[in-house]
Amino acid sequence: GAVVSQHPSWVICKSGTSVKIECRSLDFQATTMFWYRQFPKQSLMLMATSNEGSKATYEQGVEKDKFLINHASLTLSTLTVTSAHPEDSSFYICSAQTGLNSYNEQFFGPGTRLTVL
Amino acid sequence: RKEVEQDPGPFNVPEGATVAFNCTYSNSASQSFFWYRQDCRKEPKLLMSVYSSGNEDGRFTAQLNRASQYISLLIRDSKLSDSATYLCVVNNQAGGGNKLTFGTGTQLKVEL
Repeated sequence: GAVVSQHPSWVICKSGTSVKIECRSLDFQATTMFWYRQFPKQSLMLMATSNEGSKATYEQGVEKDKFLINHASLTLSTLTVTSAHPEDSSFYICSAQTGLNSYNEQFFGPGTRLTVL
Repeated sequence: RKEVEQDPGPFNVPEGATVAFNCTYSNSASQSFFWYRQDCRKEPKLLMSVYSSGNEDGRFTAQLNRASQYISLLIRDSKLSDSATYLCVVNNQAGGGNKLTFGTGTQLKVEL
């Protein structure tokens, strides 16, 4: 199956710093990439959808100025958590998809565990 | 009401048992349905898609009832390695892409 990587796997940072997370599709071109986060014992929640070369579409309640998404190529999307605070500590997972058909599988990255002190 | 609802469990079953999970979804316009498996502190992985006619993949059987907006997953002859959280996932087509909505998951523990 298709492989999606994420870096870093985990990061611990101080409150107020910014953290960038990379999501790469390694063996396919991703028309669309998605960013999710998952708090302990909760479901994955979609944060935003990004298409290569265009602005991301954010879900209700997700601040676009705090969670900056760049999808510069068909194989790379980045999520920057700006001025991170302890409440941003979560498991951030990206997924990548080819095509727009609802049956196109989304391939998930291994996730990035962010801890903000 | 949550868009996708599941019993969180945990379900503790002995090895070899048959176990079933249920899920309901609220959006009648949902287009496609899936079961994902998520191991502790890992990303979700697709287990199987769910089709209206019902479908089977080895020990796993999925059923969809659109009228009742209900999805099920049956695991036969459960193995220790089946221990995980099973996520019911519904796909609603959004502008320019898809939107997966995840349930909180049902935790399964298979024991000796």
